[in-house]
Amino acid sequence: SAVISQKPSRDICQRGTSLTIQCQVDSQVTMMFWYRQQPGQSLTLIATANQGSEATYESGFVIDKFPISRPNLTFSTLTVSNMSPEDSSIYLCSVARTNYGYTFGSGTRLTVV
Amino acid sequence: AQSVSQHNHHVILSEAASLELGCNYSYGGSVNLFWYVQYPGQHLQLLLKYFSGDPLVKGIKGFEAEFIKSKFSFNLRKPSVQWSDTAEYFCAVNAYGGATNKLIFGTGTLLAVQP
Repeated sequence: SAVISQKPSRDICQRGTSLTIQCQVDSQVTMMFWYRQQPGQSLTLIATANQGSEATYESGFVIDKFPISRPNLTFSTLTVSNMSPEDSSIYLCSVARTNYGYTFGSGTRLTVV
Repeated sequence: AQSVSQHNHHVILSEAASLELGCNYSYGGSVNLFWYVQYPGQHLQLLLKYFSGDPLVKGIKGFEAEFIKSKFSFNLRKPSVQWSDTAEYFCAVNAYGGATNKLIFGTGTLLAVQP
């Protein structure tokens, strides 16, 4: 399965600021996915990041709040913009591999104060 | 749109008891099905997956799941749980053939195994 490096692993940020989360995969993948896991809840898909095109956002998530970059087939970033305490969550990136399924990064635990 | 339901939100069992966690999905087409586990303070791990073939799938740590297409279900089972199985379990579905190939998660089941 793919190995995913995600950083930072955790951060504490002031409200109103932005944080960029990086996701590096050890092999080329077509699609990368960004999820949010709010405290005590399941994973919710934020968007699908395709190389060379705009990310596809799920209902309830917008590009202005969660801009995504996908400059190549092994790397993506998610920015959480203008943060509020409600953005405190774990953010995870994921990739899909044929015949294997989905692999997840270890996550970024974000606390907004 | 596809969705996933896990009916048991919190399950408490004694060691050696049998486990069955329910998972139902809503999607009329072909699906790939997954169970993930998240141990306290750790990241998601894949327990098992179903793509095609034998609907009874065996995974790691003695877990298995059965895909029943007519019931849109993919229940997770283990004949005898251990204290170390205490974790949160997530069912997930990918409706393949779509443009985005995205994976949708259920709400999760928190399992507590008492020694």
